[in-house]
Parts: sequence; structure tokens; C-alpha cells
Amino acid sequence: EAQVTQNPRYLITVTGKKLTVTCSQNMNHEYMSWYRQDPGLGLRQIYYSMNVEVTDKGDVPEGYKVSRKEKRNFPLILESPSPNQTSLYFCASSLTGGLQPQHFGDGTRLSIL
Amino acid sequence: RKEVEQDPGPFNVPEGATVAFNCTYSNSASQSFFWYRQDCRKEPKLLMSVYSSGNEDGRFTAQLNRASQYISLLIRDSKLSDSATYLCVVNGGGSYIPTFGRGTSLIVHP
Repeated sequence: EAQVTQNPRYLITVTGKKLTVTCSQNMNHEYMSWYRQDPGLGLRQIYYSMNVEVTDKGDVPEGYKVSRKEKRNFPLILESPSPNQTSLYFCASSLTGGLQPQHFGDGTRLSIL
Repeated sequence: RKEVEQDPGPFNVPEGATVAFNCTYSNSASQSFFWYRQDCRKEPKLLMSVYSSGNEDGRFTAQLNRASQYISLLIRDSKLSDSATYLCVVNGGGSYIPTFGRGTSLIVHP
């Protein structure tokens, strides 16, 4: 089954404790991206990757890191999480570039205390 | 001016009604347009792409008006299960960053 898999689905943690949210897709998609969704603000792109070893900032990259060492994986890293990063996070992928429709993972709900 | 704007609603309609949403975009060079559906706290799912000539999928019709820079979604014979938030997405125009509207909430009641 074609899918985008995120882990964990839910996480409650404390300020400053490094965490990684994993994202994996099995569709051989070149383009992958991370979004956060907050009430009243909609979906905002954090980082995106056009292909392996190619990543770029989205609209709200501060406080986040990503890597794309393999085509299928695109982890989101919060080196020193803060409460304002409490949000619902989605990973997405598409075949090529940002012009194709995206497939989204189930989402990760992060709470930073 | 926001790049992609949607009326947040909610649109509250009875079953069987026809409802239409619009989404305006500011970048005239935009190339790809989509409608997504998002249920509460769930991931967005592609509803349909929007083509220049307009396209239909069952009860759903999407249209693009490049001159006025908006896309529309028409839902006929609304079902209770259509209750969700509908997001428009605009891509291209020199950027690989797709721009999401903030969504329009639809509530279909018995």
C-alpha cells in the first residue's frame, strides 16, 4: 500500500530535550516536505526536499533541522524544542517537485512542556 | 495581501444542498491547483486537481478562472459525510513551495 509513515503519532516532552520525528514513504517520490498546522494559521511549510541531499527552507524553518540521506526518509529534528513548537506536524511527499499533488502522513501531535 | 485566501466559513447547509467555495490567489504565474479535504485532526487528502477547462468527479466540480485568479469547488447533493475543511492549494509561479489556503469549514446537517 502506498503510504507516508510518520512516527511517533503523539509525543509529550519537555523543553530542550532533542527529538526526532521520522517520516518514510514507499512511493519512490523525489519531493518530500514537512508542515506544521496550528489553529487559525493553516498549514505552514517548515522544510522541503527536492531529492536526496537537497533540502531547503520553507516558511517557518527556525528551530528545525532536516536531512535527506535516502530517498525514502526525511526526518524532522528539533534540537532544543520549545513550547512554541507545540503543534500538529505533517510529512508529505509527491512524485516530482511541488507541482504535483502531495500524499500526507497521518500526522504527529507534539506537546512541548 | 495573503497569497491564497479562502472564506473560513463555516458553511452550514442541509443535506441535499448545493454549496460552492472560492479560493483566490495572488501569483498570476501559478501553474497547479488542487482541492484537499481535511477531517478534524486528520491528514489532508487530495480531493481533486483543478484543470483549466474545469473538471468534475461525481458530485464535485472544480473550476479555474485565471483572469480573475480564483478556483472554485462546487458540491452538489451534500451528504453528512461531506462535513470537513476544504483546503485549496496553489503551486508554481517560480516557487516549489505549495501555498495552502487556511481552509473553508463545511458542516452538513440533517
